Amino acid sequence: DTGVSQNPRHKITKRGQNVTFRCDPISEHNRLYWYRQTLGQGPEFLTYFQNEAQLEKSRLLSDRFSAERPKGSFSTLEIQRTEQGDSAMYLCASSLFGSGGLIAGEQYFGPGTRLTVT
Amino acid sequence: DQQVKQNSPSLSVQEGRISILNCDYTNSMFDYFLWYKKYPAEGPTFLISISSIKDKNEDGRFTVFLNKSAKHLSLHIVPSQPGDSAVYFCAANSGGSNYKLTFGKGTLLTVNP
Repeated sequence: DTGVSQNPRHKITKRGQNVTFRCDPISEHNRLYWYRQTLGQGPEFLTYFQNEAQLEKSRLLSDRFSAERPKGSFSTLEIQRTEQGDSAMYLCASSLFGSGGLIAGEQYFGPGTRLTVT
Repeated sequence: DQQVKQNSPSLSVQEGRISILNCDYTNSMFDYFLWYKKYPAEGPTFLISISSIKDKNEDGRFTVFLNKSAKHLSLHIVPSQPGDSAVYFCAANSGGSNYKLTFGKGTLLTVNP
């Protein structure tokens, strides 16, 4: 399977604990995005990388959130001191951005990591 | 402020008939629009897209129509099949350099056999 993969698929944690999620994008894609989806809402943009550079962060991404993409391949999203309001589906997507502009506007999503903070 | 609006939370159609899902947007900077389909416990799957320089794009049973003056787009599925039952999200991006997507809240489509 050459699609976007995310691990773990589910995570249950207690309030105050730290959690880390991993995303492996489609191999030739140089852009990687993180979104968060809560019940009844569409996905909301959190941050994105082009190769290893984090180019934009949403105001939704508080100081407790940090994302990395150290070698321009997989990415991790860490949430420190989790709160119940962090409970959501965390989605990763990847796309190909070319020197002539975006090859295509489509982003391809992984299955998501569902976080439950108790 | 919801910049992409899907005002119908749900839609039910009979197999073989046409499904029409609607989407409105408020941001005039949006220049590329996409539809995604989402099954439970899966991530959104890209379905079809349209650039703002076009008013129609067709791919098999799926057609997207864009009315820029009305800031409205629609997805037509014909004929509808039970396997099309899913949540459909309308999304838009404003180009620039980030191409981040702004999503609507989704419409649950149920196709009845």
